[in-house]
Amino acid sequence: EIVMTQSPATLSVSPGERATLSCRASQSVSSNLAWYQQKPGQAHRLLMYAASTRATGIPARFSGSGSGTEFTLTISSLQSEDFAVYYCQQYENWPLTFGGGTKVEIK
Amino acid sequence: QLQLQESGPGLVKPSETLSLTCTVSGGSISSRSCYWGWIRQPPGKGLEWIGSVYYSGSTYYNPSLKSRVTISVDTSKNHFSLQLSSVTAADTAVYYCASQAYISDWANWFDPWGQGTLVTVSS
Repeated sequence: EIVMTQSPATLSVSPGERATLSCRASQSVSSNLAWYQQKPGQAHRLLMYAASTRATGIPARFSGSGSGTEFTLTISSLQSEDFAVYYCQQYENWPLTFGGGTKVEIK
Repeated sequence: QLQLQESGPGLVKPSETLSLTCTVSGGSISSRSCYWGWIRQPPGKGLEWIGSVYYSGSTYYNPSLKSRVTISVDTSKNHFSLQLSSVTAADTAVYYCASQAYISDWANWFDPWGQGTLVTVSS
């Protein structure tokens, strides 16, 4: 099983600032990585797939990078609606696995 | 626009079988470009993939749950179902269903997701 590790667990950021979230895989997942956003009471929202491709309707302030075992999700200028929990997921191998999540909170 | 909605009992007794259904609207469960998946999230914890099913009935399960899980699809009702047997308190979680992109003979990311349903295992 591929273990996905996200850091930090919590990220405190001021609105308008840049947020950088990390996701590490225990073995290479190539570019087979997705990012999701979770807000209370809402369905999970796909942000990014293939590590760096924005999903439909996702603002350009979200960007993804990386391949192999190291990945980054960057939010260039945090908006109020971006404060949420973010998860990465690998789909290189079964079983599919998720990272433990990073909570982005208001500083 | 594809939408998914979970339904089923919110309370299940220990040792019994948890049964949930995910109804798909805005699209066909017989689509050849989708797998259909179940994911769960225990309170305060992260996400765990349970398993995925194709319209043909082909399935993949998480080995950690495989002995207790059955996922099936009903194309006539445009829904798919999850059964988890011999449940314990550790199975208490929010259960989500989701569509999974099937591209180049591989099941990929999940989009969209249902809102989720809380299932509590307690006597």
